[in-house]
Parts: sequence; structure tokens; C-alpha cells
Amino acid sequence: DAGITQSPRYKITETGRQVTLMCHQTWSHSYMFWYRQDLGHGLRLIYYSAAADITDKGEVPDGYVVSRSKTENFPLTLESATRSQTSVYFCASSDSGRGYTFGSGTRLTVV
Amino acid sequence: GQQLNQSPQSMFIQEGEDVSMNCTSSSIFNTWLWYKQDPGEGPVLLIALYKAGELTSNGRLTAQFGITRKDSFLNISASIPSDVGIYFCAGQPPGDSWGKFQFGAGTQVVVTP
Repeated sequence: DAGITQSPRYKITETGRQVTLMCHQTWSHSYMFWYRQDLGHGLRLIYYSAAADITDKGEVPDGYVVSRSKTENFPLTLESATRSQTSVYFCASSDSGRGYTFGSGTRLTVV
Repeated sequence: GQQLNQSPQSMFIQEGEDVSMNCTSSSIFNTWLWYKQDPGEGPVLLIALYKAGELTSNGRLTAQFGITRKDSFLNISASIPSDVGIYFCAGQPPGDSWGKFQFGAGTQVVVTP
């Protein structure tokens, strides 16, 4: 199916574990983004990527790692999950100059 | 980072009423986006604005890029129950790479019959 998909939709993990959130888009958009959404903070940019193998930090990158070996995939890894990383994570993709399209989100709970 | 203030935080309106919300900043932006988010879903783009003074409509929605480039407004006319949700503004600061938008905290809209 065309579009942007995130997996899993829901994830519970323990403090200290590594967890990877997946994002896949079928449009061949150059730009991809990871946001986290928390009450009172709205959407905050974690990392973004302008093309394959090009990534850059956003507003809140600490504790996260990204990679983009292929244009269509942009996984986000929490190297050692903490409770403060409990959040809803959204991936988005975009062509330059246009607004971007969000995935449906991954709700992550760190216990 | 720059502060992007969105107001009101929430609003309770009756079906058929018009809705207005806005985003303001102390700094200028090059692009404004308006999104709507339904519960359990990702935000969906409603309107994109690229030029100061631009006024753009999408059905019952109208948004404007403020002439000072520091604000933007979204109006919903004749609200209906499906307008319920959280509306977000997003601004692209000049000088930043494309896509590094800053988001407002959102306006929660509740429509009562």
C-alpha cells in the first residue's frame, strides 16, 4: 500500500533496553523526520534526514540514534530506553517545499 | 529555540459556529502549516502557506500567513461534529534546512450539537 507506515503501533519495553521504531514510506520522498509528542510540549523534532545517508539532529536528539541506508526507511533506535522516553512517536516524510505527511504513530511505554 | 505560541489552548463550540485560532511568534517564519489530529492518529495537513499575506482556503477552512511573518490564523466556518480534534500550527524558520518546523502546542476543539 502506498503511504507512510510505522511499526509497531504499540510497544512496552523495560528501562535500559534497546528498542527500534520502524518507518517506511513508498513515495520516494527525500525528507524524513521523527517527532515525539508529549502533553504540554506538542510535537518536537528528534532527527531528520534530507536524503539517504544524510541525517541531522533536531530539537531533542539525546538518547536516540537514526540511520537511513535506503530512501524509504528511517528507523529510530532508543539505545537504552528511559522512562522519560515514554511518548508517542511520529514519523513523517516530505518532498522539498511541501508540507509533510505523518504516519499513524507508535505509542511507546518504558516501564 | 524560537517560541511558537498557539491559542486558544482549547475551545468548546456549538455546531454551526465559526472557529478562530492563531499562532504567534517573536520571530519570523518562511512557511506556515496547519494540521489536524484525530485521536490515535497522526496529524493531517490542512493548509500550507508560503508567502506573507497569503490567504488560502480548503473547504470550510481558511488560513492566513500574517503580513509581519510572525503569525498565522486558521478559521473554520460553520463547524460540524467531525471538526473535533487538535489543530496544530507549524512554522519554518528562515535559514534552517527545509522541514525543521516548529510546532505549536495545539488547539483542542470540541463541538457540541
